[in-house]
Amino acid sequence: AQSVTQPDIHITVSEGASLELRCNYSYGATPYLFWYVQSPGQGLQLLLKYFSGDTLVQGIKGFEAEFKRSQSSFNLRKPSVHWSDAAEYFCAVGGGGADGLTFGKGTHLIIQP
Amino acid sequence: NAGVTQTPKFQVLKTGQSMTLQCAQDMNHEYMSWYRQDPGMGLRLIHYSVGAGITDQGEVPNGYNVSRSTTEDFPLRLLSAAPSQTSVYFCASSHLAGSGDEQYFGPGTRLTVT
Repeated sequence: AQSVTQPDIHITVSEGASLELRCNYSYGATPYLFWYVQSPGQGLQLLLKYFSGDTLVQGIKGFEAEFKRSQSSFNLRKPSVHWSDAAEYFCAVGGGGADGLTFGKGTHLIIQP
Repeated sequence: NAGVTQTPKFQVLKTGQSMTLQCAQDMNHEYMSWYRQDPGMGLRLIHYSVGAGITDQGEVPNGYNVSRSTTEDFPLRLLSAAPSQTSVYFCASSHLAGSGDEQYFGPGTRLTVT
């Protein structure tokens, strides 16, 4: 069965500092990988996705993620965070079929001034 | 374009009551799904549909029913509410099959069962 692990429940970063959120997945074939962001009281918004090709993918709001097959990882990065980036971030994996996504438990990002 | 809409935003039920959570999308998406979000658990798939008239179970389907009579609507029914169903429920839709395409999420329904 597929699974996603986000090892960090909470991360605190100073405004303007760089960010890396970790995601490890378990999947038997080539996965479809996603990062979503959820602001308080809101639904989820897609930041970026990886299907195939270039392993470094660019997303919205200045985020990027790198797919590393050898490490089964898909870490999310941003070179300089803004206070508005404070939110819950979810990594998700799927196989391309109809049976939906498997989500990690999320990482809560706190931005300190 | 409203995207994915959900009603109600909040609901309180007593144990044993039934209710329907509404979900509609105006993007002509074939695929729709329901997730529940619990603290520290991420999102878990309840039911999904690949088109009108076709539904299937996800990871946590017990206690829930769905139907898909039109492309636009995908209601979720709680048959006899239990405290374990206290959660935030999200509806999502996508153009292609659920795990291969960007999912568009609604704003959620926060349900409390007492």
